Amino acid sequence: SAVISQKPSRDICQRGTSLTIQCQVDSQVTMMFWYRQQPGQSLTLIATANQGSEATYESGFVIDKFPISRPNLTFSTLTVSNMSPEDSSIYLCSVEDRTRSTYEQYFGPGTRLTVT
Amino acid sequence: GDSVTQMEGPVTLSEEAFLTINCTYTATGYPSLFWYVQYPGEGLQLLLKATKADDKGSNKGFEATYRKETTSFHLEKGSVQVSDSAVYFCALSVLKLVFGQGTRLTINP
Repeated sequence: SAVISQKPSRDICQRGTSLTIQCQVDSQVTMMFWYRQQPGQSLTLIATANQGSEATYESGFVIDKFPISRPNLTFSTLTVSNMSPEDSSIYLCSVEDRTRSTYEQYFGPGTRLTVT
Repeated sequence: GDSVTQMEGPVTLSEEAFLTINCTYTATGYPSLFWYVQYPGEGLQLLLKATKADDKGSNKGFEATYRKETTSFHLEKGSVQVSDSAVYFCALSVLKLVFGQGTRLTINP
């Protein structure tokens, strides 16, 4: 399975500022995903990031708030813009493994964000 | 839309007890089913999967069988250990991955 790293692992930010989270994969992948996990909650898909095209956002998430870049097949960034305390969550990136016949996603370790 | 419902937690058991975490799903089409585990302070790890009816996924002593007739994918382990303490997520995939709400499991020595 792919090995995924994220930076930073955690951060404490002031409201009104922005944070960019990086996701690096050790192999080339077509599809990368960004999820949010609010405290004590399940995972919610924010967007799907494909290389060479704009990210596809899920209902309730917009590009102005969560801009995403996907410059190549091993890297993506998610920016959380104009943060408020409600943005305090764990943000996880994942990749889809298409070398297998079944659909599997593998996750990075997550970025724990606290907004004060 | 597609959805996953898990038994509510938290679940607390003693070491060596038998574990069942219930999971049922609703899906259009024929989903693949997954169990993910999240250990404290870590990301999600794929625990096991099943891709068609009657398939049994297994890993680390955990098992789950894809039951199409009852739309279920219950997670079981015969003898749990303290190291199994984690949050367990059931998930399905048709076009995208959909997660249940998670079940927090605590195993006491």
